[in-house]
Amino acid sequence: EADIYQTPRYLVIGTGKKITLECSQTMGHDKMYWYQQDPGMELHLIHYSYGVNSTEKGDLSSESTVSRIRTEHFPLTLESARPSHTSQYLCASSTTSTNEKLFFGSGTQLSVL
Amino acid sequence: SQKIEQNSEALNIQEGKTATLTCNYTNYSPAYLQWYRQDPGRGPVFLLLIRENEKEKRKERLKVTFDTTLKQSLFHITASQPADSATYLCAAPFSGGYNKLIFGAGTRLAVHP
Repeated sequence: EADIYQTPRYLVIGTGKKITLECSQTMGHDKMYWYQQDPGMELHLIHYSYGVNSTEKGDLSSESTVSRIRTEHFPLTLESARPSHTSQYLCASSTTSTNEKLFFGSGTQLSVL
Repeated sequence: SQKIEQNSEALNIQEGKTATLTCNYTNYSPAYLQWYRQDPGRGPVFLLLIRENEKEKRKERLKVTFDTTLKQSLFHITASQPADSATYLCAAPFSGGYNKLIFGAGTRLAVHP
């Protein structure tokens, strides 16, 4: 089993609230990712990090921001949640080797009312 | 743009039969493809990786092929069981994207007793 944890599993929140989705991994992986997935749709990469103090935006534009102050921790923040942010957010990590598989957390299902 | 396409229709098969899922890629030639399994409300779990110079890869009841001429990968589950019911995702690296993966929308497999 992958040692990557996301909290909360479910979050229902009102419009305009600030939220932080937590992601932690205990595998010592340098690379971490955030994907967004809507039902029946592809996973879209919204942020990634190749190590501490390294963050990049993915292929899908997102109003969220991320930080990577510690290797094991890669939180995602939405300053002002909107209904359009309703989605499943999946965190993943991998080693620095090429072709490496991704280990995913169980995801956070976010609903913004 | 680079794209991974999977059959969006669910695949329904009888227990014991072989399930075959298709993944097509367009507008580039990935160095490898990965297959993941995703259960409802969970993150994807890595199953197999096949490189462009490999025609076939096997793991227990799973087999993956990679046809660079057809730009297609086939994923087979032999002697399928109801426990194999899940959504199966195909993924490939972004062109020049070190460990950044593009995912297909997945094909839902239902194995009936």
